[in-house]
Order: sequence, then C-alpha cells, then structure tokens
Amino acid sequence: RKEVEQDPGPFNVPEGATVAFNCTYSNSASQSFFWYRQDCRKEPKLLMSVYSSGNEDGRFTAQLNRASQYISLLIRDSKLSDSATYLCVVTVSGFQKLVFGTGTRLLVSP
Amino acid sequence: DTAVSQTPKYLVTQMGNDKSIKCEQNLGHDTMYWYKQDSKKFLKIMFSYNNKELIINETVPNRFSPKSPDKAHLNLHINSLELGDSAVYFCASRGGSSYEQYFGPGTRLTVT
Repeated sequence: RKEVEQDPGPFNVPEGATVAFNCTYSNSASQSFFWYRQDCRKEPKLLMSVYSSGNEDGRFTAQLNRASQYISLLIRDSKLSDSATYLCVVTVSGFQKLVFGTGTRLLVSP
Repeated sequence: DTAVSQTPKYLVTQMGNDKSIKCEQNLGHDTMYWYKQDSKKFLKIMFSYNNKELIINETVPNRFSPKSPDKAHLNLHINSLELGDSAVYFCASRGGSSYEQYFGPGTRLTVT
C-alpha cells in the first residue's frame, strides 16, 4: 500500500465548476500536510498547507481529518489556469522528508 | 535569478555510461534533496543533505552517489546507467524551520 494515495483522474471540468480532490495517508505519525501543484513538464510548487481546522486561500480550501487520515482540496470557480496535477504531500521525520502522492490530474475546459 | 538551478536540463546517454547532474541553490538554505519522478509521475525522495551532511538515504542503488561540496550545491553522480534510470530528477532545497521545499526545473534523463 502506498503511503499517500490519490485518485489519478483526470478530472475533466468546465470553467467555473467546483471540483474536489481527496487523499489518504497510511502513516499515523505524519505531522504536516500540504498540497503541491505540478504543471506539465515543470517542477512541483507549494500550493497550500493543510491544517486540522481547515484553511482557505482564495478559491482553494483544504481540509484535514487526522482520525480518518484523509486530506481534501476543494477548488471553486475553476479557471483554465488551474489545469495541472495536484500532489498530496505529507511529512515524516519533522519537515525533513516529504512523501508525495501520485497526483490527481485536473483539466479545466472552456 | 533562478532560486534552484540544475544542469543539464536534458541528458540522453547509453546504458553503462556514467553521468553527473549538478544542482545549485542561491536561497541560503541548509537542506537539499534529490527526488526521482518516474514515467508514472511518482515523485520519490532519494537523498537529503543538511549542511553538507547526508541525513536521508532512501533505498537507492549504490550506483547513485550524491556529493555536497558546500551547502549551496548538491550533485548526483550515477554509475553504470540502466534503462530503468530514465526519469526526471529534481533537486530541491529547504531553509531553517520552514516546511516549504523549492524545486529546481528538473533534469530529464533518458538512457538508451
């Protein structure tokens, strides 16, 4: 079983749609949680951190459920520029080691 | 100025050759990493150095040898390249107590 599991997609949505991605992690000792974004043939970049209380950054909302070991990302009012792969990431050993999920691909169409 | 840079961007070589990839960061970070992203896009950590000291060494064949001449540089040397080594190799860095890792643009290695 992979340490971090995601639905690979692709999720095909029209502009303006709301889309949600889910992620589960297996290591209950995981300490910090993030969503990274990776555009095609580019490097991953931090999108946002995920806190137990839930957090929002503009059109993006992230949630963490430690009991269920489950992380989510909600994107409202999708834009064409949101098309990318979204990587769920957890840390072990403090901040030293990031463990990446395989990513969920999002395609937003006009 | 590029924060984390890698050279070369593309590398095509034959099986059995030895090659090196270089990484430099100008962010003043103490910790650097090498990741491998395979054809299925799975990104996996290989090594991590903190102030030139190896702190993470995942299960990687010993044909792969990282070297950190100073805390701004982390190079990766690969001996006896195999077809399965074909992947994109990303360098990353992280500073102090921050959790964010900054990635370089990647080196696309193709072994024929």
